Amino acid sequence: KAGVTQTPRYLIKTRGQQVTLSCSPISGHRSVSWYQQTPGQGLQFLFEYFSETQRNKGNFPGRFSGRQFSNSRSEMNVSTLELGDSALYLCASSLGGASRGQFFGPGTRLTVL
Amino acid sequence: TQLLEQSPQFLSIQEGENLTVYCNSSSVFSSLQWYRQEPGEGPVLLVTVVTGGEVKKLKRLTFQFGDARKDSSLHITAAQPGDTGLYLCAGDLSGAGSYQLTFGKGTKLSVIP
Repeated sequence: KAGVTQTPRYLIKTRGQQVTLSCSPISGHRSVSWYQQTPGQGLQFLFEYFSETQRNKGNFPGRFSGRQFSNSRSEMNVSTLELGDSALYLCASSLGGASRGQFFGPGTRLTVL
Repeated sequence: TQLLEQSPQFLSIQEGENLTVYCNSSSVFSSLQWYRQEPGEGPVLLVTVVTGGEVKKLKRLTFQFGDARKDSSLHITAAQPGDTGLYLCAGDLSGAGSYQLTFGKGTKLSVIP
């Protein structure tokens, strides 16, 4: 089986712009979670989707949003980028939810200038 | 307040030595996972533990879940340079069905040949 794929792998944006990141889960996995990873804060949960429905959301501002399509592929969007949004954004998939283990993609490295 | 504490934060040892890293919380985990992450890549799932007192082995790695399900340890026997990486624990702290994992900040392990 192919693993979790994320595109693009690297992205450079300027403050105020918006960005869309894409994640394709492992075939058959219906749960997709998104995380932000920074050196200071570690991995922080953004949100989780299952069958196109957001089931849980972390403590991030409304500028961070996401969605999931019928084929389980997911996108996250960040609007009005700030310097502090520079991070590695990770997507993870699992069959029914993260509590029994999930599989991560390689991440998208976002740099905001 | 960090809900999940990992220690030590950094560890540098010689090849062939043994080591233990710890993951602690004041709350009870419904389940707990350990991951290893290498630079530029997403975390890779090593193990999931669910039952208090559970011990799981993965080659030279031994994982233990505390009886009260508030702590866990990872022991590596005869460490090798290939064990180098960031070791992360992640727990479901909100109860079954929360669909959200909380991550510790990790232990960065360097194994010197």
